[in-house]
Amino acid sequence: QQQVKQSPQSLIVQKGGISIINCAYENTAFDYFPWYQQFPGKGPALLIAIRPDVSEKKEGRFTISFNKSAKQFSLHIMDSQPGDSATYFCAARTHDYKLSFGAGTTVTVRA
Amino acid sequence: NAGVMQNPRHLVRRRGQEARLRCSPMKGHSHVYWYRQLPEEGLKFMVYLQKENIIDESGMPKERFSAEFPKEGPSILRIQQVVRGDSAAYFCASSPDRVNYGYTFGSGTRLTVV
Repeated sequence: QQQVKQSPQSLIVQKGGISIINCAYENTAFDYFPWYQQFPGKGPALLIAIRPDVSEKKEGRFTISFNKSAKQFSLHIMDSQPGDSATYFCAARTHDYKLSFGAGTTVTVRA
Repeated sequence: NAGVMQNPRHLVRRRGQEARLRCSPMKGHSHVYWYRQLPEEGLKFMVYLQKENIIDESGMPKERFSAEFPKEGPSILRIQQVVRGDSAAYFCASSPDRVNYGYTFGSGTRLTVV
């Protein structure tokens, strides 16, 4: 079964808008939460990541918000650009190395 | 500094044939991970290898699938007697040590079984 639930499956946003992707998990053994960006025909690339002792992390236009008590985390893409159009995966790590991925969100940014 | 190299990029096999997927980790990386991505799904962990050792193969189907990472050369994911359900993108990632903070993935091999 999916250990990390991701929503929405897809979203469309206008250029300059905010894209928000949500993920939820049950396994409290997860200790690291990365987000990956994947373009068609390419492998996933690490975008930004957070540890559960931090509630928010920001890198440029990308922000992760983390709610440990609710076991939820989200990715916000501010000032979305057409080049941000891609599939985004949240993930969670156990055993130092094993990642469980969400099903992915396809983001389309309209110019 | 080349990234994780996977080949072939695309592989077509008839049902019952064997598929061999190769992965060369980044320079200096001795830990290799294989993941499978089915259409419209996220990646699923298959196996974790270090040089000459399989550390965790809990995500590998028990039959027809095997993986190796020899002392010399790339890591190989081998699928025997392929079936249509094996059609997927197979991604390899590498890291310099076991406790990693984000793998580096290759571009994947897209396997199509006809």
